[in-house]
Amino acid sequence: QKEVEQDPGPLSVPEGAIVSLNCTYSNSAFQYFMWYRQYSRKGPELLMYTYSSGNKEDGRFTAQVDKSSKYISLFIRDSQPSDSATYLCAMSLDNYGQNFVFGPGTRLSVLP
Amino acid sequence: DVKVTQSSRYLVKRTGEKVFLECVQDMDHENMFWYRQDPGLGLRLIYFSYDVKMKEKGDIPEGYSVSREKKERFSLILESASTNQTSMYLCASSAFRGTRINEQYFGPGTRLTVT
Repeated sequence: QKEVEQDPGPLSVPEGAIVSLNCTYSNSAFQYFMWYRQYSRKGPELLMYTYSSGNKEDGRFTAQVDKSSKYISLFIRDSQPSDSATYLCAMSLDNYGQNFVFGPGTRLSVLP
Repeated sequence: DVKVTQSSRYLVKRTGEKVFLECVQDMDHENMFWYRQDPGLGLRLIYFSYDVKMKEKGDIPEGYSVSREKKERFSLILESASTNQTSMYLCASSAFRGTRINEQYFGPGTRLTVT
């Protein structure tokens, strides 16, 4: 079993739809949970992060962590064609980059 | 604007060649990382460095070495390239103590093909 699992997609939605992206993980000790966005031919960029459980909202984006289920989600409201990218979840035991574990990414296409 | 640059976007090398991938960051970051990204596998850490001349193995260091002679520059070396090293290579940097989680800033990647 992989440490972090993520549906690779591709996921295609119409503009304006609510998008739900998810990751499951096996290591219950993870404390930091991140979402990176990677546009085609670019490196990933940090979108959001949360520490431990709970929700975090930033504009159209909401990150949720359910540690009891070992499940994290990223919701995108009012999705836009500019949201078309690959979304990578990442998690870590601590705040040090060498311990980040990345999911394989979900490719999202938002159709105008 | 923060910037991480990588020397090449695309590279084609032959089996057995020695390959150098260069990464430069202009943010005065202490930490630098080399990952490879393969479909279905996510990013896997090859090596990282937390200071000049310091290096630590990541999850998949076999067949690779690194060099960090200056703070802003981190090189990945494939001593004898093999076809299973065909991949996208991503460099990243982060501050030792960020204002948020040690956010990693990534370069655009180098797509290496070994034939």
